[in-house]
Amino acid sequence: DAMVIQNPRYQVTQFGKPVTLSCSQTLNHNVMYWYQQKSSQAPKLLFHYYDKDFNNEADTPDNFQSRRPNTSFCFLDIRSPGLGDAAMYLCATSRGVQRDNEQFFGPGTRLTVL
Amino acid sequence: GENVEQHPSTLSVQEGDSAVIKCTYSDSASNYFPWYKQELGKGPQLIIDIRSNVGEKKDQRIAVTLNKTAKHFSLHITETQPEDSAVYFCAVTTGSARQLTFGSGTQLTVLP
Repeated sequence: DAMVIQNPRYQVTQFGKPVTLSCSQTLNHNVMYWYQQKSSQAPKLLFHYYDKDFNNEADTPDNFQSRRPNTSFCFLDIRSPGLGDAAMYLCATSRGVQRDNEQFFGPGTRLTVL
Repeated sequence: GENVEQHPSTLSVQEGDSAVIKCTYSDSASNYFPWYKQELGKGPQLIIDIRSNVGEKKDQRIAVTLNKTAKHFSLHITETQPEDSAVYFCAVTTGSARQLTFGSGTQLTVLP
């Protein structure tokens, strides 16, 4: 019954070593989001896709990239992780239709940078 | 842009008591107001939401009230239980936008 699935749940990488986080959804939603959440803080939006249309937040570092090869999957690529990128990364989806903009979150991937 | 303030940042209540968390927002065009519950190590879970054409919505022990004139909305949890302990986030968006603006979160602790 899982609707928004994130893999892996825990990821350990080394400083500067590229890492990819995965998100998939069974809801057939148009919009997929990536958030970064640090301890005791609210989720911070990095970017989102409306179908294939990519929307980057102005303050998202260039180090973060995303790919959405199809409706169901979206990837977060961190090209050169720094210690400051250690966080929980949350994927969310929504239908994206006006007045139907509930967002559904996945369980998150906890990223550790050594 | 939208600004959302959430209070209090921490809240401790005795089991069985009520808990109230309040959020204020700045954009009068905002029309969708969800509340999320986030347990430790998990993603946020939508627990209740309200739209601007409604003043109150209730779901068992949880209710949300909206005052559009004053631009604030509140989460009410009655008969609190230890499993209600979590971080609660309010959020705001407009109908045409796809982004949510989150409050800073409230750590609710229900003491047995």
